[in-house]
Amino acid sequence: DIQMTQSPSSLSASLGDRVTITCRASQTIRSYLNWYQQKPGKAPKLLIYAASSLQSGVPSRFSGSGSGTDFTLTISSLQPEDFATYYCQQGYTTPYSLGQTTPYTFGQGTKLEIK
Amino acid sequence: QITLKESGPTLVKPTQTLTLTCTFSGFSLSTNDVGVAWIRQSPGKALEWLAVIYWDDDKHYSPSLKTRLTISKDISKNQVVLTMTDMYPEDTATYFCAHHMYSSGLFDFWGQGTLVTVSS
Repeated sequence: DIQMTQSPSSLSASLGDRVTITCRASQTIRSYLNWYQQKPGKAPKLLIYAASSLQSGVPSRFSGSGSGTDFTLTISSLQPEDFATYYCQQGYTTPYSLGQTTPYTFGQGTKLEIK
Repeated sequence: QITLKESGPTLVKPTQTLTLTCTFSGFSLSTNDVGVAWIRQSPGKALEWLAVIYWDDDKHYSPSLKTRLTISKDISKNQVVLTMTDMYPEDTATYFCAHHMYSSGLFDFWGQGTLVTVSS
């Protein structure tokens, strides 16, 4: 399996801060990296796909970058509604590769809290 | 507008089989590149992908759970069904279904999730 490691696991920040979350893959995943936001009791919401493409309707203060094994999610100016848990997910390991199923894997999450 | 909704039991006993249904609208599971996936989240834990079924009826499972999972689709009803045999307390989780794009590996629309508790 491709392991996804996020850092930090938790983060305290203030309104208006610029925040960066990193995600590292255990092997190259090219640009097949997606970011999700999850609030308590809710389903995850897709924010960024293909490492840097903003999903429709997502505010432009969210941005993503990276390729290969190292990726970042940046929030340029934190708003109250941004306090949530963020997950990266690799979409590179397709079930069709080599005739075997290797799973789509998620990072362990980064909880963003108000300082 | 794409929507998905999970349904099924909220409580199952250990060793029982869980059957969950995902009812969706706003897309066709006959469309190229489209799939419906199941993903779960144990309380306070990260997300875990379980299975996916594709437009061409191809099906794939998490290797660690493969022997316990079956996924199927009913195009006429716009439904995807997941069964999981031999449920254990550690299978207690919120189970989500999600619209999936094979070419990019993303999950762009999710159901609200359904909490399944495994307890005697």
